Parts: sequence; C-alpha cells; structure tokens
Amino acid sequence: NAGVTQTPKFQVLKTGQSMTLQCAQDMNHNSMYWYRQDPGMGLRLIYYSASEGTTDKGEVPNGYNVSRLNKREFSLRLESAAPSQTSVYFCASSHHRAENTGELFFGEGSRLTVL
Amino acid sequence: GESVGLHLPTLSVQEGDNSIINCAYSNSASDYFIWYKQESGKGPQFIIDIRSNMDKRQGQRVTVLLNKTVKHLSLQIAATQPGDSAVYFCAENRQAGTALIFGKGTTLSVSS
Repeated sequence: NAGVTQTPKFQVLKTGQSMTLQCAQDMNHNSMYWYRQDPGMGLRLIYYSASEGTTDKGEVPNGYNVSRLNKREFSLRLESAAPSQTSVYFCASSHHRAENTGELFFGEGSRLTVL
Repeated sequence: GESVGLHLPTLSVQEGDNSIINCAYSNSASDYFIWYKQESGKGPQFIIDIRSNMDKRQGQRVTVLLNKTVKHLSLQIAATQPGDSAVYFCAENRQAGTALIFGKGTTLSVSS
C-alpha cells in the first residue's frame, strides 16, 4: 500500500521555467491538498480539492495552478518558476473534508530549488 | 499575523521526562484542532485531534488539552523517548468548508 506518492522528489529549475509536481493516492480518498513548507514558516496551504472535479485556493495560491485529474491524482503546476517558490512541497489526502477529520496522509515531499 | 502558532520554536528534554508543547490560536470560530509529528525528511503524521466540545483527549502516551477561554492548545507526551524527537505542528480548522491551517512548529529534541 503506497499511500500518497509524489514525483519528483527533487527538482532544480531556472527562473521562468515551468514544471508540474505529480501526486497520486491509492486510498480512495475524496480530498487532496498541496502544501509548501519553508524554514520557520510551517506548512502553508496552496490549493486543495475537496472532491473530484473541484479545487479551491488556500493561503498562498499565487504562482500556482492545480488539476484534479481524477480521484487518485492531484497535480501542482508552476507556470513560471521564481526563486520565492524554492521550498519543499507536500501533497496530502484525506477521506473526508479536512474539517471532519484531521487525519491527512502526507507524501514524502518534493524539494524544489529555483535558481 | 500567524493565528496558529506555538509558543516556543524548540524544546529540549531528557529521556523519560514529560514534554509539553503549546499552541495558541486566535480564531474563536475554529472548532477542530489536530497535532502532527514530522520526522526529518518525512511528511507530517497525524498524532491526535480534538473538537471544540471537548477539553481533553488522550491517546497512547499523548494527551491534548484545549482551553477555549484563552484559545490555547497543548500536547503532552508522557515518558518522552528519543524516537519522539521531531517537529510538532498544531493545526486548526478555521472555517467550515476549508482545509486545515498549520502553525509554524516546535522542534522537540530528546536526549538520552
């Protein structure tokens, strides 16, 4: 049982390049999330998808787009990467909406560096 | 400013001691709180949760206390072990229909 799988684990980009972080979960969860983690800042919500076909902005959505491709997959796209987007990105999923249960299942993270 | 925060960024304890990690929140409407543990190089893992209609909830070696009057949340770890060394985050649900918001984290270091 893989849980939440993120790819790639590491990526280095130049300013202005685009890339997509992939996330897939095999737990048949309804809700999926993208967070970024920066030193001293904790985890900040970028976007989330409460159910297949819906997406909503979180705390820091600027510079990102998301796609809930199907129930399993939720991708995060950086159209024009900036150094401020250097961070560790975590994908998470939960069976219900987060306000009903806090048990988010996280992936191992994707470390992105933008030069 | 940060509405879900922890009083101390770091906490050092001896093995066997009890640890208390604190968290303050500012949104009186928040009705659900969660503690997560994040080990180095890994994603956060759920520890325990509590709803606003409760003051206390116990798990295995962990207890969460909620004081709604002063908007304070704490995580108590009994008989702290080296394996408890990690970053601990509190998180809250600020508004129905939205996702969890995390605090900045406290790094717990346990020495033998």
